[in-house]
Amino acid sequence: AQKVTQAQTEISVVEKEDVTLDCVYETRDTTYYLFWYKQPPSGELVFLIRRNSFDEQNEISGRYSWNFQKSTSSFNFTITASQVVDSAVYFCALRGPTGNQFYFGTGTSLTVIP
Amino acid sequence: DSGVTQTPKHLITATGQRVTLRCSPRSGDLSVYWYQQSLDQGLQFLIQYYNGEERAKGNILERFSAQQFPDLHSELNLSSLELGDSALYFCASSVVGITGDNEQFFGPGTRLTVL
Repeated sequence: AQKVTQAQTEISVVEKEDVTLDCVYETRDTTYYLFWYKQPPSGELVFLIRRNSFDEQNEISGRYSWNFQKSTSSFNFTITASQVVDSAVYFCALRGPTGNQFYFGTGTSLTVIP
Repeated sequence: DSGVTQTPKHLITATGQRVTLRCSPRSGDLSVYWYQQSLDQGLQFLIQYYNGEERAKGNILERFSAQQFPDLHSELNLSSLELGDSALYFCASSVVGITGDNEQFFGPGTRLTVL
C-alpha cells in the first residue's frame, strides 16, 4: 500500500529559526517519486521539489533543503532562517512508477512568528 | 501562477443540487487530475484523465463524474450534493501523466459550500 505520513500536524517557530518538516512514506514500488508542495493561506498549491527513488542526493535551494533517506523511507524538508512568508501548510506526496495516483500526506501547518 | 485555471472560484449551493466545476490545464499538458480537500479528509485524489480518456480513479463518489474534452479542458460534475461535499476542489495538470516523474501543477481551486 502507498502511504505518506506527516506526523507533525502543526509547528510554530520564531522568525530566523530553522525548522524541519518530517515525511515518512510507504511503498512497495522500487521506482517512485516524492514531492513537496506548499499551500499558503491564499489556498493554491505550489510545487517545491520532485525527487525520484534512484536519486538520494540531498538538494538545497536557497533556504530550503531536502534530505531523502531510503533506508528510513523519509523525505524531510528543512527551512533555514525561517521567514513569516514561509507560514503555510506543507504537503509531502508520493507517486508510483506510472502517472496515476498521487498520495498526499495530511500536511504540516507551519506558523512563523515575527 | 501555475497556468492552470479553474472556474468558478467560489460556489454556494443547496443540498440536492448539481454543480459543474471547470478546469483548463496548462498549455501542452495532456493529463488532468481532480482532488478534493476537506478539513477532515485532507487532500484526496478523485480522478485522472489523460488526453480525453479516464486513466485512474481514486476516492470518487458515484454521485461525482468527470470528463475531459477534445480541447483538454475538464469538468467535474457533482450531483445530489450533501453538506459533506463542502470542500476545496483542485484541478492539476501535468505534461504526460503516464510516468510518475512529472510534477503536477495545481489550479487555484474552487471552494464549494453546500448549505
